Amino acid sequence: QQQVKQSPQSLIVQKGGISIINCAYENTAFDYFPWYQQFPGKGPALLIAIRPDVSEKKEGRFTISFNKSAKQFSLHIMDSQPGDSATYFCAATIFGNEKLTFGTGTRLTIIP
Amino acid sequence: DAGVIQSPRHEVTEMGQEVTLRCKPISGHNSLFWYRQTMMRGLELLIYFNNNVPIDDSGMPEDRFSAKMPNASFSTLKIQPSEPRDSAVYFCASRTGTSGGATGELFFGEGSRLTVL
Repeated sequence: QQQVKQSPQSLIVQKGGISIINCAYENTAFDYFPWYQQFPGKGPALLIAIRPDVSEKKEGRFTISFNKSAKQFSLHIMDSQPGDSATYFCAATIFGNEKLTFGTGTRLTIIP
Repeated sequence: DAGVIQSPRHEVTEMGQEVTLRCKPISGHNSLFWYRQTMMRGLELLIYFNNNVPIDDSGMPEDRFSAKMPNASFSTLKIQPSEPRDSAVYFCASRTGTSGGATGELFFGEGSRLTVL
């Protein structure tokens, strides 16, 4: 019930393409879904987050799409750039709860 | 503003030795978290504190691990005795609460890479 399943494990996208990372959760009580971005040698950092009162949230080239009925959410990176190469983690929790459940991560590589 | 500060950044030790990892959270944050990251298991929450009090240590793998937070600006994670399977990157993170519309964003340190030979 607490798991968040993330796919794919790794992803290679050409520069300018769209990167898509998917996550699925089981606990219907979850109502806060952040994405964290981690560069090599650094700690994860919050990239973008969504709450289920909206189906989509966009910040620059980054968009979260949320499907409450399917219990799925995804990160889309438009016009992917080499600087986007990083590991991306989805997460889920009950808003205000201290514990985040993280997905297993996706290593994204953007090639020229 | 300084972020979450962890030390040491790298630690190489031999099996059986005691390891102490240190963390200074962001000033004003009232929750502190210790995570472990490995290729096989991803990010695992080991323990978290709220207002310096340990709230949930169910992620601590075994009695060899212990964590303390003696005050609002300092926490330690200790492994005694260390084993090769403890090799990982250990992250400390802190956050404020979510009252007043705050997002509760987690701020991570840069991690302590532990290698146990």
